[in-house]
Amino acid sequence: EAGVTQFPSHSVIEKGQTVTLRCDPISGHDNLYWYRRVMGKEIKFLLHFVKESKQDESGMPNNRFLAERTGGTYSTLKVQPAELEDSGVYFCASSQDRGLPTPLHFGNGTRLTVT
Amino acid sequence: AQKVTQAQTEISVVEKEDVTLDCVYETRDTTYYLFWYKQPPSGELVFLIRRNSFDEQNEISGRYSWNFQKSTSSFNFTITASQVVDSAVYFCALKVYRVQGAQKLVFGQGTRLTINP
Repeated sequence: EAGVTQFPSHSVIEKGQTVTLRCDPISGHDNLYWYRRVMGKEIKFLLHFVKESKQDESGMPNNRFLAERTGGTYSTLKVQPAELEDSGVYFCASSQDRGLPTPLHFGNGTRLTVT
Repeated sequence: AQKVTQAQTEISVVEKEDVTLDCVYETRDTTYYLFWYKQPPSGELVFLIRRNSFDEQNEISGRYSWNFQKSTSSFNFTITASQVVDSAVYFCALKVYRVQGAQKLVFGQGTRLTINP
């Protein structure tokens, strides 16, 4: 079974540019999550999809971030325009259900550097 | 509000030493789960263990063991006879029950563990 895959693994962009991160969850997993770790700090929740619907986007920092999951399969996270403080590692995770004990399966993350 | 604190930012030990990673959590919920994840140099977060709030039994898996103590709100992780391959960043995380909405993971800051040969 393929795991959660994220693309690209690294991205370096200039302030003001746009970047789109992609996540392919494990096949059959309805729940998809985005998390972010900024420079040595804790990993923080951004949002949660159930299929194509946003279930909780309370962690999204501001309206420069847009997440989509068309068709309930892969998801994209767009940052437009990027700012220096957006640098960090963006993790995607998926799970078959959203039950309390269900562990999330994470991808390798996308390291975003905004210069 | 929920919070997880991993006070040890970095730990460095020599191979074969035992090492304990500390995790202290805060929550007012009575039903919750605690997790440990490992992030090796390759980058992915690998699930290691989960423990529910009603089960304070310690767990051992090979060289890994976990000590859950509700009295001190701690869920510490010990690696016995450490090996170079154990080098990674380790994250402790908490998940609480919510009737609606995502049952989000709340992570600690992570502990970077380096095992030197």
